[in-house]
Amino acid sequence: GIQVEQSPPDLILQEGANSTLRCNFSDSVNNLQWFHQNPWGQLINLFYIPSGTKQNGRLSATTVATERYSLLYISSSQTTDSGVYFCAVENQAGTALIFGKGTTLSVSS
Amino acid sequence: DAGITQSPRHKVTETGTPVTLRCHQTENHRYMYWYRQDPGHGLRLIHYSYGVKDTDKGEVSDGYSVSRSKTEDFLLTLESATSSQTSVYFCAISEPSSGNTIYFGEGSWLTVV
Repeated sequence: GIQVEQSPPDLILQEGANSTLRCNFSDSVNNLQWFHQNPWGQLINLFYIPSGTKQNGRLSATTVATERYSLLYISSSQTTDSGVYFCAVENQAGTALIFGKGTTLSVSS
Repeated sequence: DAGITQSPRHKVTETGTPVTLRCHQTENHRYMYWYRQDPGHGLRLIHYSYGVKDTDKGEVSDGYSVSRSKTEDFLLTLESATSSQTSVYFCAISEPSSGNTIYFGEGSWLTVV
């Protein structure tokens, strides 16, 4: 099946710093989504981005489908950005999302 | 808010007992999913449903069964709980008409002792 790899596994930042999270996937996809899991366990959908670039406030995402990767940019990080960021892509059958193992982000003040 | 409610939110049970987790949605979404989350594994798909009485297995379906008799409810059953099924279980919904964007419930913490 399709493989999803995220890097780095862990990231520690000072408040105000910028960061880039990467998601590589092993096959062409029609559906790619980014999620944030906050320290209380809640999973929030950040972007649906099978291709192209989207921005939402301090967050933006770019997917280059032909090269099988996606990037999540976090600018001017805040402590509330801490948590785990997951990338997920649709399986071959188009019936469900397959998740990477996530990047754990810790932002300190 | 995608209108997803999971119950129970926390449960401790003994090995060998049956357990049912319920996912209830209020917005008539077609697709519903059960994932489990474990350290080092991320989120893994257990079962999913694409309509009433239409379900299929995910990558970690052994030891689990599901039922969907109504659009709004998707039940996950552990017929005989084992310690390896101690996990956090997330229900999710998606709607093909909106690009299959997925929204998650708040999770159910299950401990099997």
